[in-house]
Amino acid sequence: DSGVTQTPKHLITATGQRVTLRCSPRSGDLSVYWYQQSLDQGLQFLIQYYNGEERAKGNILERFSAQQFPDLHSELNLSSLELGDSALYFCASSVGTSGTGAQYFGPGTRLTVL
Amino acid sequence: QQQVKQSPQSLIVQKGGISIINCAYENTAFDYFPWYQQFPGKGPALLIAIRPDVSEKKEGRFTISFNKSAKQFSLHIMDSQPGDSATYFCAASMAFNKFYFGSGTKLNVKP
Repeated sequence: DSGVTQTPKHLITATGQRVTLRCSPRSGDLSVYWYQQSLDQGLQFLIQYYNGEERAKGNILERFSAQQFPDLHSELNLSSLELGDSALYFCASSVGTSGTGAQYFGPGTRLTVL
Repeated sequence: QQQVKQSPQSLIVQKGGISIINCAYENTAFDYFPWYQQFPGKGPALLIAIRPDVSEKKEGRFTISFNKSAKQFSLHIMDSQPGDSATYFCAASMAFNKFYFGSGTKLNVKP
């Protein structure tokens, strides 16, 4: 158990809908990262937050947005969903830029868009 | 442009053998190179990591070899066991911000 929690575990929805994925980092970790992993694909970095502020952006679509709240949990919002958005979405946390850099991944949310 | 290239895509090794996975990167600003292990249905777990100021790091049966001039690094798994069968990802990062992952290597250790 990495200490990172993600909810829900599974999500099935229809095209055009909007969903919110939630992540709670490990206690004491200030950085949260979001990744997308498609079937048999590697991990694509989406976005990073550090202590509530956006720190880095990767290949995140405009239909996707995220935020980190004062209690450090983070939410990834996916809107106007398309079939191709079906994937595993992972959240990872680390102590932040001053730490070891070790990222701890949550168990993921499997999103299926029908 | 793929920032980190990983090979091979899949690897079959006999129990007790050495598994070797290679990664290459382009951006010399990368300063942190971790390896992750992922079992089906689970999130990746950090295995071992190295900074570019050392050429080798060993933790148990796992060793990272780092060649700064060639911009390459590799993971060696000694005495490979069936329990090591998983997908392995290399990654690279600048100041722990964006992390770029390789495409993954599916390792199968035959008993």
